[in-house]
Amino acid sequence: DGGITQSPKYLFRKEGQNVTLSCEQNLNHDAMYWYRQDPGQGLRLIYYSQIVNDFQKGDIAEGYSVSREKKESFPLTVTSAQKNPTAFYLCASSIGSGGEQFFGPGTRLTVL
Amino acid sequence: GQNIDQPTEMTATEGAIVQINCTYQTSGFNGLFWYQQHAGEAPTFLSYNVLDGLEEKGRFSSFLSRSKGYSYLLLKELQMKDSASYLCAGTSGTYKYIFGTGTRLKVLA
Repeated sequence: DGGITQSPKYLFRKEGQNVTLSCEQNLNHDAMYWYRQDPGQGLRLIYYSQIVNDFQKGDIAEGYSVSREKKESFPLTVTSAQKNPTAFYLCASSIGSGGEQFFGPGTRLTVL
Repeated sequence: GQNIDQPTEMTATEGAIVQINCTYQTSGFNGLFWYQQHAGEAPTFLSYNVLDGLEEKGRFSSFLSRSKGYSYLLLKELQMKDSASYLCAGTSGTYKYIFGTGTRLKVLA
């Protein structure tokens, strides 16, 4: 079955540590996205990638970094520069621009 | 600018009909998505409207009026499992989607 996987489901880290969230898709989609979701707020775009080896900043990219070395994979690193990293992180993919997005199950990151 | 507004919370009774509204103030939006999200889970696609009018899919229907910047999601024959957040999202055909804050629907027995 095709889909998007994110791991782990729950992640705990100490303040000041970098952490990498995994996102893998086998839908053969070109575009991939990272969103952050906080209580009472809509999904906010962190980074997106239209194609392998290319990615663009979203609305809240500060303190985050990404890579897109393979079509299937789009890992997100939350760096120590991110001031308030505790949140629910969602990865998504789409065939192209403006189409339906498919979401992974999310990773809940808690920084202690 | 781009902004999407939807009510924060709604309550309805099992078996009833509920309409969740979404308004947007933007230029360039050419499509509206609705997603359902259960607590702690991924959003799942419900509907996409690119033309004005009503799209019906079983118990769920979605309406769009581009001239009025208005959309709604209609849920009929409510079931307890419909208790979830419903996200409205707009796209201008680019890779950037604008999401509303979501409407938390509680279905009561």
